[in-house]
Amino acid sequence: DTEVTQTPKHLVMGMTNKKSLKCEQHMGHRAMYWYKQKAKKPPELMFVYSYEKLSINESVPSRFSPECPNSSLLNLHLHALQPEDSALYLCASSQEAVSYEQYFGPGTRLTVT
Amino acid sequence: GESVGLHLPTLSVQEGDNSIINCAYSNSASDYFIWYKQESGKGPQFIIDIRSNMDKRQGQRVTVLLNKTVKHLSLQIAATQPGDSAVYFCAEDHNAGGTSYGKLTFGQGTILTVHP
Repeated sequence: DTEVTQTPKHLVMGMTNKKSLKCEQHMGHRAMYWYKQKAKKPPELMFVYSYEKLSINESVPSRFSPECPNSSLLNLHLHALQPEDSALYLCASSQEAVSYEQYFGPGTRLTVT
Repeated sequence: GESVGLHLPTLSVQEGDNSIINCAYSNSASDYFIWYKQESGKGPQFIIDIRSNMDKRQGQRVTVLLNKTVKHLSLQIAATQPGDSAVYFCAEDHNAGGTSYGKLTFGQGTILTVHP
């Protein structure tokens, strides 16, 4: 199984809502990532988890809260988002955090109204 | 042809032609350079990587060239097929001498369109 799955595929939320994005991989990878991608732009790194510990937080606003419950799962909790947070949120994993061969999921298309 | 402007660079080729996608990188301290392909509605897919101590690396139908003097990276695709149509991103690590933890910085991307 070389797949990274993400749910939901699409999410529309209001600025006062709380929602969560989920990501799962069963490749035994020990590093997992969250990226944000705006239309016609490259992915931008948000968070890196290595061995279930947060290794990198790219100065992401606290309204985004990552969580890694176990080595296969990665969540991104969303609260009080702004319309400019609307984007495609991509999850990725790699064998180790120093591996550049990252496997990406299809993303969650988030719209904040 | 290839165009660069306010929009993503685009490259249109005929099926069977060879394609060359270019990328200028910014960090002379980067240790690894990687090419990713992103098809519509999908996440990026790893294609090939090259370490900074190499000039050339070949994969299946793809070759990556690295010119550190001018900080330039290129991806050559041989016998381009319609399935190669996608946005291609170069990416570099920002190691800066430390452990990079897979911290990639992606370039702006190039849209490749292959006409049958």
